[in-house]
Amino acid sequence: QVQLQESGPGLVKPSETLSLTCNVSGGSISNYYWSWIRQSPGKGLEWIGYIHSSGNTKYNPSLKSRVTISVDTSMNQFSLKLSSVTAADTAVYYCARVPSRGWLVFDHWGQGTLVTVSS
Amino acid sequence: DIQMTQSPSSLSASVGDRVTISCRASQSISSYLNWFQQKPGKAPKLLIYAASTLQSGVPSRFSGSGSETDFTLTISSLQPEDFATYYCQQTYSPSYTFGQGTKVEI
Repeated sequence: QVQLQESGPGLVKPSETLSLTCNVSGGSISNYYWSWIRQSPGKGLEWIGYIHSSGNTKYNPSLKSRVTISVDTSMNQFSLKLSSVTAADTAVYYCARVPSRGWLVFDHWGQGTLVTVSS
Repeated sequence: DIQMTQSPSSLSASVGDRVTISCRASQSISSYLNWFQQKPGKAPKLLIYAASTLQSGVPSRFSGSGSETDFTLTISSLQPEDFATYYCQQTYSPSYTFGQGTKVEI
């Protein structure tokens, strides 16, 4: 059974870059899409973007200018960078798996990690 | 962006009740609609995709229907473990927006 685990700093200063990693275990990262989604009290659930194991990416247009998602297949992990953060980026960040074929479904999720943006 | 509006925002129900949650899209999304269940402190769990296809392992008391702009999630006989918040999500347009959630409580 595939498992996903987010890791990274829980506190980021305004204007800095938020960096998170999602480690995938129990299965290969190859031949899937891998996504980041966040949840905040103010904006609810928000899809951030995804990356295919081949490196192809797609981002939410509202965040595209600040987001970079990358994948390291040798480490079976993928990462999120969100630049120029503000308090509005405070949220629980989830990583999730998306099968490559068929419907766009987020079928396995990490437990989530809270990131607070504050000085 | 496609807006997803759920109703009601919350509802009270009892074990054994039939529960219906609605989700409306601001424009047609065909059948590109997922439903998730979320319990406090946990990640969302996929219940239904393609508007009406039950995800593997999800109990058959959950069902989904609808197309274009109007969708429904039905729980045929509410069980104690079903008390949670439910979200719809459109996967037609790549902002892949979620509804604001419907909290099902006793």
